[in-house]
Amino acid sequence: SFELTQPPSVSASSGQTASITCSGDKLRDKYVCWYQQKAGRSPVLVIYQNAQRPSGIPERFSASKSGNTATLTISGTQVVDEADYYCQAWQSTTAVFGGGTKLTVL
Amino acid sequence: EVQLVESGGALVQPGRALRLSCTTSGFTFADYAMAWVRQGPGKGLEWVGLIRTEGYEVTTESAASVKGRFTMSRDDSKSVAYLQMNSLETEDTAVYFCARDPGAVNGDAFDIWGQGTKVTVSS
Repeated sequence: SFELTQPPSVSASSGQTASITCSGDKLRDKYVCWYQQKAGRSPVLVIYQNAQRPSGIPERFSASKSGNTATLTISGTQVVDEADYYCQAWQSTTAVFGGGTKLTVL
Repeated sequence: EVQLVESGGALVQPGRALRLSCTTSGFTFADYAMAWVRQGPGKGLEWVGLIRTEGYEVTTESAASVKGRFTMSRDDSKSVAYLQMNSLETEDTAVYFCARDPGAVNGDAFDIWGQGTKVTVSS
């Protein structure tokens, strides 16, 4: 079955760049999106269609894809960015989420 | 303001049924597919299913883990989506979110989420 693999945790110092990866079979052929979920809150879409940022999402959030690995990058990480991040893609008519990555801002 | 509000979560015994509602406002509900996503205690996000619009014959898709037990429906006149959960199992314990799916325009990303409703399956 189709799976998306994320590192369980990533840390970054405040003001530095944080990168979270998401890998999966044939991901190069699929749209990837990213969600941010802060503790006790609902998920928020931060990236869609691989690299598009919804209105209201800060410019420090960006994303890219190379081969079967997608990467979410947070430039100038802030304490408010501390959250769980999930990638998501579609395998035919089934949506699949990655296991999530906890971002700790030091 | 676009809003999604889930309701209907409860403590229920294994084998029983429960119906969740997702009441929406602030957008043309009939134009959007609606998804359900759940999150077990301390766990990640798990897609449950999707119901498409009338333009796509209101077809549904479900995760393998709930197929045959959970069904989705919608009432466009009330702007509400439903998740009927039958034969509930302890593994179904989770917070259930509904989310809006704009379709191909954004690659079927879930752009708006409700606050979630908690379902606990326990004897």
